[in-house]
Amino acid sequence: KAGVTQTPRYLIKTRGQQVTLSCSPISGHRSVSWYQQTPGQGLQFLFEYFSETQRNKGNFPGRFSGRQFSNSRSEMNVSTLELGDSALYLCASSFSPRGSEAFFGQGTRLTVV
Amino acid sequence: LAKTTQPISMDSYEGQEVNITCSHNNIATNDYITWYQQFPSQGPRFIIQGYKTKVTNEVASLFIPADRKSSTLSLPRVSLSDTAVYYCLVGDVSGYSTLTFGKGTMLLVSP
Repeated sequence: KAGVTQTPRYLIKTRGQQVTLSCSPISGHRSVSWYQQTPGQGLQFLFEYFSETQRNKGNFPGRFSGRQFSNSRSEMNVSTLELGDSALYLCASSFSPRGSEAFFGQGTRLTVV
Repeated sequence: LAKTTQPISMDSYEGQEVNITCSHNNIATNDYITWYQQFPSQGPRFIIQGYKTKVTNEVASLFIPADRKSSTLSLPRVSLSDTAVYYCLVGDVSGYSTLTFGKGTMLLVSP
């Protein structure tokens, strides 16, 4: 079956702009989580959605937001981009939030200039 | 979530067995131990998960002592393609999808 699909794979934006990243989970998976990965901070949890509801949120400013649609697809938005937002953004899907193996997408490489 | 400690890096040669140990002294009763592998510019990939004793699958084994304060990921006969970062995670089943990654162990396999 198809894996987790993230689009776009690469993105270059200018400071102050906003960006929307998309994640299509594995068919049947209802839980989607987002992570930011940078060389300095490693993998950091952003937020998690299950059945269109945000269940958990990491320690990120309000500029980072997300949502999940009825078909489990998810988007994350970053407004007023800063240089420090340059990172690999990873999406993971799982069947349920409880003890399920998480499957990660290839990520979206965001560069803010 | 229980904090984990792993070596920052390890070196090995092709064909050798590699053991990566993770310390998790304050692991809770409901916590499971999971290992992920990550290649550069890719998302992490699930390797193995266990609660106690030993778990084995087609790619690795996971050894967990009785006190569960540490665990060891064993990779038999590594190849160059096993060069990657390996993460040890500990978390309870109820909130497990909120994965807390540490720094991981960078494994370099040489010919």
